[in-house]
Amino acid sequence: GAVVSQHPSWVICKSGTSVKIECRSLDFQATTMFWYRQFPKQSLMLMATSNEGSKATYEQGVEKDKFLINHASLTLSTLTVTSAHPEDSSFYICSVTRLVRGETQYFGPGTRLLVL
Amino acid sequence: TQLLEQSPQFLSIQEGENLTVYCNSSSVFSSLQWYRQEPGEGPVLLVTVVTGGEVKKLKRLTFQFGDARKDSSLHITAAQTGDTGLYLCAGTYTGTASKLTFGTGTRLQVTL
Repeated sequence: GAVVSQHPSWVICKSGTSVKIECRSLDFQATTMFWYRQFPKQSLMLMATSNEGSKATYEQGVEKDKFLINHASLTLSTLTVTSAHPEDSSFYICSVTRLVRGETQYFGPGTRLLVL
Repeated sequence: TQLLEQSPQFLSIQEGENLTVYCNSSSVFSSLQWYRQEPGEGPVLLVTVVTGGEVKKLKRLTFQFGDARKDSSLHITAAQTGDTGLYLCAGTYTGTASKLTFGTGTRLQVTL
C-alpha cells in the first residue's frame, strides 16, 4: 500500500491566489519531509527540508516567503504556494524519511499545479 | 554544489535490446539510488548502493557503483515496453544526511 499520500493530486488556480498542498506519511512517523519541484521533462529539484516542530530549511534560490512549509506533526507537512503565478505551474512531490542510517526516502504521488 | 549528470538524456530502443544508463558526479557519494518515474507519478525506488564496486541485480536490471563512489550505471537486458519511463539517479553526500541530489534524468522509450 501507499506509504505517502498527497492532496490534492492536481489543482488549477487563478494567478494571485494561494494553494495548499498536503503531504501525509501513512505508515510511520516521519522525522523529516522533503519538498521537490519538477518541471516538464526535467528532473526533481529539492525545494526545502522540513523537520517536525522546526522551521524548514530552503534550498538556494527558493523563496521561503512564497513557498510556506508547515510541518505540524510527524505525519503531516503542508506546502502553501502564495500568490501563485503561471511560472509556479509545476509538479510538486513530497517525500518522507525517518532519518535512520540508510533509511530511504518514500515519495508521494505528486501534485500537479496549473496557475492560469 | 554537487551536480549529477546522466547520459544519455533520451533513449529510444526496440523491445529486446540492451541499454546502459550512466550517472556521474564530481563528488563522492555516501550512497546512490536509482529510481524510475512514470508520467504524473512520484519516483519509485529501484535500488540503493553504498559500497564502491558494488553490483546489484534486480531481474533484468543490473546496477553498478563505481570503485571511487563517484559514478554508477544501470544496465537493462532485453528491454520490454514496460521499462519505458524516466530513470533517475540520486545521491547523498557526507554531511547532508538523507538529502538527495537528483541526476538530470534519462528518458527511456521502448517500442515493439
